[in-house]
Amino acid sequence: DIVMTQSPDSLAVSLGERATLNCKSSQSVFHSTDKKNYLAWYQQKPGQPPRLLIYWASTRESGVPDRFSGSGSGTDFTLTISSLQAEDVALYYCQQHQDIPITIGQGTRLEIK
Amino acid sequence: EVQLVESGGGLVQPGRSLRLSCTASGFTFGDYAMSWFRQAPGKGLEWVGIIRSKAYDERTDYAASLMGRFTIARDDSKSIAYLQMNSLIADDTAVYYCSREKTLTRARAFDIWGQGTVVTVSS
Repeated sequence: DIVMTQSPDSLAVSLGERATLNCKSSQSVFHSTDKKNYLAWYQQKPGQPPRLLIYWASTRESGVPDRFSGSGSGTDFTLTISSLQAEDVALYYCQQHQDIPITIGQGTRLEIK
Repeated sequence: EVQLVESGGGLVQPGRSLRLSCTASGFTFGDYAMSWFRQAPGKGLEWVGIIRSKAYDERTDYAASLMGRFTIARDDSKSIAYLQMNSLIADDTAVYYCSREKTLTRARAFDIWGQGTVVTVSS
């Protein structure tokens, strides 16, 4: 199984500042035929289901604010929030779908400093 | 409106079975793969399994940790996906979510989620 490891486990950032969340996979999630990284990022707020933010490592889902961006390839990925807003307080998960089983990181809790 | 609604959760005794339903609306259900996830109290997300569309032979895959106790099925005529859970144990206690894969773009990500249904396994 591909193990997804997120860092840090929790992060406190001031409003308006940049937040950088990391995700590392134990094997590459790059699909050589499709030329895609099958890596997605989700945001989850208390009592709510996850919300898709980013797929293919860097493609923003429709309706997601452009302060959210994804980058990386192979085994190392980053979710960046360029200017933290109060509504961004949440848990963030990375998920790979390059291989079965689909695996998900343990999550990063993002808070306001 | 594109929507998924889970139902069928509740309190069940260890060793018993339960079937969850995920009713879809607002999109052509048969075109999409559907997946189930779960989240134990205070824990992270865990993938349960996936059922692909008829175009992909409705092929299913599951998390190995379930040891064959769970089965996913679909009824495209009713726009419903099912999660049959057998031999339930306390560790199966969780919120169960169904979700839609972005099949048409082959993104292998999950863009629509239900609100979840709570399953509690306890005597």
